Amino acid sequence: QKEVEQNSGPLSVPEGAIASLNCTYSDRGSQSFFWYRQYSGKSPELIMFIYSNGDKEDGRFTAQLNKASQYVSLLIRDSQPSDSATYLCAVTALSGAGSYQLTFGKGTKLSVIP
Amino acid sequence: DTAVSQTPKYLVTQMGNDKSIKCEQNLGHDTMYWYKQDSKKFLKIMFSYNNKELIINETVPNRFSPKSPDKAHLNLHINSLELGDSAVYFCASSQELQGYGYTFGSGTRLTVV
Repeated sequence: QKEVEQNSGPLSVPEGAIASLNCTYSDRGSQSFFWYRQYSGKSPELIMFIYSNGDKEDGRFTAQLNKASQYVSLLIRDSQPSDSATYLCAVTALSGAGSYQLTFGKGTKLSVIP
Repeated sequence: DTAVSQTPKYLVTQMGNDKSIKCEQNLGHDTMYWYKQDSKKFLKIMFSYNNKELIINETVPNRFSPKSPDKAHLNLHINSLELGDSAVYFCASSQELQGYGYTFGSGTRLTVV
C-alpha cells in the first residue's frame, strides 16, 4: 500500500512568518513530488513540483526533497492571509499495472493570521 | 477558456437513482482521471484512461463505470446510488502517464438523499 502522510493541522502562522508543511511517503520507487493548494470549495491547484533531491524555489515557495529520508516539504515565506488553504502533497510511483499513479496525502490545513 | 470542465457542478439525487457526470478537457492531454474527495477532504483516485484504454481501476464498486468516447472526454456513470457515494468528484487530465502537472476540473458535488 503506497501511502503519503501529512499532518492534518490546522497549522496557524502569523502573517509574514514562514509556514513549513511536511510530507512523508512510503514507496521508495516514487519519482515525482507535487504540492497542490486547495481553497475551500475549489479544486486542487498545482503550485510546485520537484523531482530531484534538494531545494527548488519559486517566488515565495520552496519545495525540499530528501529521497533517502522519503521526505518532502514546502516552505512558504512571508505568509499572507490569501495563503490560507489546504495543502496537498502528492507523489507519483509506478503502479502494479505498469503505469504511474498520483497518490495524494490527506492535506494540511494552513491558516495565516493577520 | 476552461481547461478541464465538468458538468454538473452540483447534483442532488435520491438513493437508487442512476446518474452521470461529464468531463471534457481541451488541453490535448492523453490521460484523464476521476478522483473522489470525501468529507475529510481525502482525494482518492478512482479511474484513469489513456487513449481510451482503462489503465488504473482502483477498488471501486462496479456501480461506477467510466466511459470515454474520445481522448478529450471521460464521463462517469454511477448506478444505484447510495448514501455513501455523497462526495465531491474531480476530473483531471495530464500529458503523460507519469502524471506531471495534473489539471483538475472544478468538481461535482454529489449529494445522495
